[in-house]
Amino acid sequence: GQQVMQIPQYQHVQEGEDFTTYCNSSTTLSNIQWYKQRPGGHPVFLIQLVKSGEVKKQKRLTFQFGEAKKNSSLHITATQTTDVGTYFCAGNYGGSQGNLIFGKGTKLSVKP
Amino acid sequence: EAGVTQSPTHLIKTRGQQATLRCSPISGHTSVYWYQQALGLGLQFLLWYDEGEERNRGNFPPRFSGRQFPNYSSELNVNALELEDSALYLCASSVGQGPTDTQYFGPGTRLTVL
Repeated sequence: GQQVMQIPQYQHVQEGEDFTTYCNSSTTLSNIQWYKQRPGGHPVFLIQLVKSGEVKKQKRLTFQFGEAKKNSSLHITATQTTDVGTYFCAGNYGGSQGNLIFGKGTKLSVKP
Repeated sequence: EAGVTQSPTHLIKTRGQQATLRCSPISGHTSVYWYQQALGLGLQFLLWYDEGEERNRGNFPPRFSGRQFPNYSSELNVNALELEDSALYLCASSVGQGPTDTQYFGPGTRLTVL
């Protein structure tokens, strides 16, 4: 079946360091979405990437979609304690499938 | 605008019982999705409903079922509960069923099976 692999599973950083999480699919994605789940919370939509090679920025967060639309990354510059949480990528394979295939998430902890 | 709501917040059942979880989508959203988030296992897709019809189903046994009502709210039923069904059950809604429609999640129902 379709799978979205996400690495690393955990990342511990010192406040001010950068952080990157990566997602890969074996087959081409229609689009990829990124979510953040704070401890004890529910996933909150961050962004959607649709076009090949697309790059989008939200303040310190940079999202990229690969040229082949099979991989994506989220990079956070100069992490802050408010960035703590689990970041999920979710791939959509298009057609009438509708549902998202979530990666297992990267749990980010930030040491002040 | 109210977000996705789910009830109850917590549910405690014993093995073999049945559980019913409820979800109300954002006003104007017709698609409802159910996910299971077990500890350490990420989000697993369960069911997708749109316009009252089941559109897709994840790799779960038939004892996981649900329905969508004419007002687009939805219900997830889990029969013959097993210990491993203990998880956070998340409902999400989207405005349509297109692949670029964003899903908005509710706060979840924490199901504990004893």
